[in-house]
Amino acid sequence: GAVVSQHPSWVICKSGTSVKIECRSLDFQATTMFWYRQFPKQSLMLMATSNEGSKATYEQGVEKDKFLINHASLTLSTLTVTSAHPEDSSFYICSARVDGNSPLHFGNGTRLTVT
Amino acid sequence: DQQVKQNSPSLSVQEGRISILNCDYTNSMFDYFLWYKKYPAEGPTFLISISSIKDKNEDGRFTVFLNKSAKHLSLHIVPSQPGDSAVYFCAASRQSSYKLIFGSGTRLLVRP
Repeated sequence: GAVVSQHPSWVICKSGTSVKIECRSLDFQATTMFWYRQFPKQSLMLMATSNEGSKATYEQGVEKDKFLINHASLTLSTLTVTSAHPEDSSFYICSARVDGNSPLHFGNGTRLTVT
Repeated sequence: DQQVKQNSPSLSVQEGRISILNCDYTNSMFDYFLWYKKYPAEGPTFLISISSIKDKNEDGRFTVFLNKSAKHLSLHIVPSQPGDSAVYFCAASRQSSYKLIFGSGTRLLVRP
């Protein structure tokens, strides 16, 4: 089945630093990838849609300048959390689908802790 | 406004019995529904889906039922196994859209 790989699986950083999370589709090409965030005991919330070769589409309330998304190839999207703050600590998950008729496949997520 | 709701945060079931997880939605434009299973510190794993043209879809021990008039869907797991213990999320979308809207999840515990 389709595999989405996410790296790193966990990261601890200091306040004010930036962190980059990578999302790769291993056995298929994904023109579109999705970034979700999950706070403890809450649902997965869509942050942004990453489009290969063009700008990402952000959901309402998500700061574009804080969560930089780059989708430079058909198999890689990156999310950079800039100037991280403790409130950015969360579980970030990327996803992609093989084609328009298939379900979303998710990476294993990245646990970000900002101290 | 929560468009997809899972009103039961947790459910405990005896091994071998049926687990029924419920989900309600408010947006009548949704026409594609999915269930995902999630273990701690892992991404969700796709379980089963259903299109609004159907009212039932079955895959092994998992069956999803859709009641469009009630805007309600449910996931039945039978027989339940201890390995089914996880958090289950329902999700909905419009097939013309890529966006999935998730419910808040139900934690299922299957007791041996």
